[in-house]
Amino acid sequence: SQTIHQWPATLVQPVGSPLSLECTVEGTSNPNLYWYRQAAGRGLQLLFYSVGIGQISSEVPQNLSASRPQDRQFILSSKKLLLSDSGFYLCAWSAGSYGYTFGSGTRLTVV
Amino acid sequence: GQNIDQPTEMTATEGAIVQINCTYQTSGFNGLFWYQQHAGEAPTFLSYNVLDGLEEKGRFSSFLSRSKGYSYLLLKELQMKDSASYLCAVSPGNTPLVFGKGTRLSVIA
Repeated sequence: SQTIHQWPATLVQPVGSPLSLECTVEGTSNPNLYWYRQAAGRGLQLLFYSVGIGQISSEVPQNLSASRPQDRQFILSSKKLLLSDSGFYLCAWSAGSYGYTFGSGTRLTVV
Repeated sequence: GQNIDQPTEMTATEGAIVQINCTYQTSGFNGLFWYQQHAGEAPTFLSYNVLDGLEEKGRFSSFLSRSKGYSYLLLKELQMKDSASYLCAVSPGNTPLVFGKGTRLSVIA
């Protein structure tokens, strides 16, 4: 069966520090991968998605970036965090245009 | 453009039935999904509709009318654990799912 792993679960980082969140999927090949952010009490905001190795589509211009170095690995990064980067970050995967399975999420607080 | 509307909040009584509506306008349509999200947790899949009609799964049912751009999620025999946000999402086709902002359901005794 397919599983998705996302870490860390919580993170407190100072403004201006770098960020790296990792997501891996097991049990499937060539998944579509997604990064979402959810501000407190708000909806899901799509940040990046990828349909293959090295392919990244950016939905929202900001100081975040994403990379897909391996088929089942998706990384969200920032060189310098802003206060506004605080939120709940969710990784998800799908097979084609079918529904998503989400990772357990990372709660990021920038202080 | 892509747009999905659903009520922001709803309150219902334990043991009752509640219907959460969702209307959508998207560039294409390849199915509608409902997700449940408890506070502080990731969304989990509830249902998928691609054809018109009602899909029933235990206490939860989901309805779709493609001509009206309308869906609802029906929760029967409400329990306290059903207190959560319910997200409506549409697949336009070859692009990522479009999510609504979610409906926060509070179940009271």
